[in-house]
Parts: sequence; C-alpha cells; structure tokens
Amino acid sequence: QVQLVESGGGVVQAGRSLRLSCAASGFTFSSYAMHWVRQAPGKGLEWVAVIWHDGSKRYHADSVQGRFTISRDNSKNTLYLQMNSLRVEDTAVYYCTKQDHDYGDSFDLWGRGTLVTVSS
Amino acid sequence: QSVLTQPPSASGTPGQRVTISCSGSSSNIGSKPVNWYQQLPGTAPKLLIYSNNQRPSGVPDRFSGSKSGTSASLAISGLQSDDEADYYCAAWDDSLNGWVFGGGTKLTVL
Repeated sequence: QVQLVESGGGVVQAGRSLRLSCAASGFTFSSYAMHWVRQAPGKGLEWVAVIWHDGSKRYHADSVQGRFTISRDNSKNTLYLQMNSLRVEDTAVYYCTKQDHDYGDSFDLWGRGTLVTVSS
Repeated sequence: QSVLTQPPSASGTPGQRVTISCSGSSSNIGSKPVNWYQQLPGTAPKLLIYSNNQRPSGVPDRFSGSKSGTSASLAISGLQSDDEADYYCAAWDDSLNGWVFGGGTKLTVL
C-alpha cells in the first residue's frame, strides 16, 4: 500500500526540541525528493523543507532556517524533521509529502499529518 | 502574507462554474509550473492539478487549470456539494529557493 505515516508530534514547551518521523511504504523511497509542509490551526499550507532523493541537497523555509533540519534514512524508508528552539508559532499539523517528477514535481502523495503543539 | 495571492473565498450553486485565481511573480508562477491542491474538511491535501493544467488519474475533468504570465486559475464546472473544500495553488520560487503556496480559497456550494 502506497502511504506516508507521520509520527512524533505532541505537546512541547517553547524552546524545547522534537523530532518528527515519516515512514514511507509502497514505493521506492530513495528515488524521490521529500518535503515537510505544515498547517497552523485554521490557517493555510506552509512549505517547511525539502530534501533531495539522495540527501545531497536540502532547503528550509526562512521561518525555520537554523532551527529545523530535514534528513532521511533511505535504508529505513524514513524521513525526519528535527525541530529545535520551538516557538509557539510552530504549532501546526506537519505533513510529510512526496515530490514526483512524473507529476510535474508536484506533491502527489501526502500523509495524514502529525500535530505539534508548542506551549508557552 | 502568502507569496501567492488567492481570494479567501468563492461560492457557487450546484451545476455552476466557478474559477479561483492565483497571482504570483516572475520568480514563481511566471517561470515555473503551477500545481493545485484540494483539502476537504479534516483531511490532508490532495493533488488536483499539476503542471498548470494536467489532471492526475482519478480527478474528474470538471476540474481544469490554466496559466498566463504570472497568474494561474483553477476552474470547476458542474459544481457539486462534494467540491466544498479549501483550494491551494503552489509553485517553486527561484528567489526564495523554496516552494510557495497561496493562502487558500474556501469554496462554498450554496
């Protein structure tokens, strides 16, 4: 079954750290760039980070640059997001998503998301 | 403030045709393909249109996309109650070295 399953969300105090995971199955994980996209409660989608299929390149949004780090382990078919120095404004549902060249580099597969709540 | 600009809301009656606009700049829509996503209430986003006007398999041909210059549009014809959702445009931005989304448009079927 082709799917992405996020985990690791929860309630954390501002300033602390959290690591999200995304388990991929049903496709060749190591062939695709992967992203994290977040959605604050009642708000729109915000792109967070991307990592190339082989991990050779990664980019982060300005809003998380220097605090968040995207990584992957192709041997475990797993994507990660290390979130440090968390802020209240980082509260959101975090989605893992796959970028597919066959679909114009769009995000053709999404997980159900994991909720991160940062308390003050 | 989103880099891509969408109207916050749109509405129509069953059977009508509605369009949702998405405005950007030369560093994103003007030079890169646009994708559209549909987010039904309480669910994850779903790819609706890719490369400006292509539909993934399973997406009804009632949904269509277009692009001109630094703007793009999503059209939905034969509106149905199931189409009530939030719609987002997205594109890569060469200046930001990242993906940018529109703020989203909430579609209401009256």
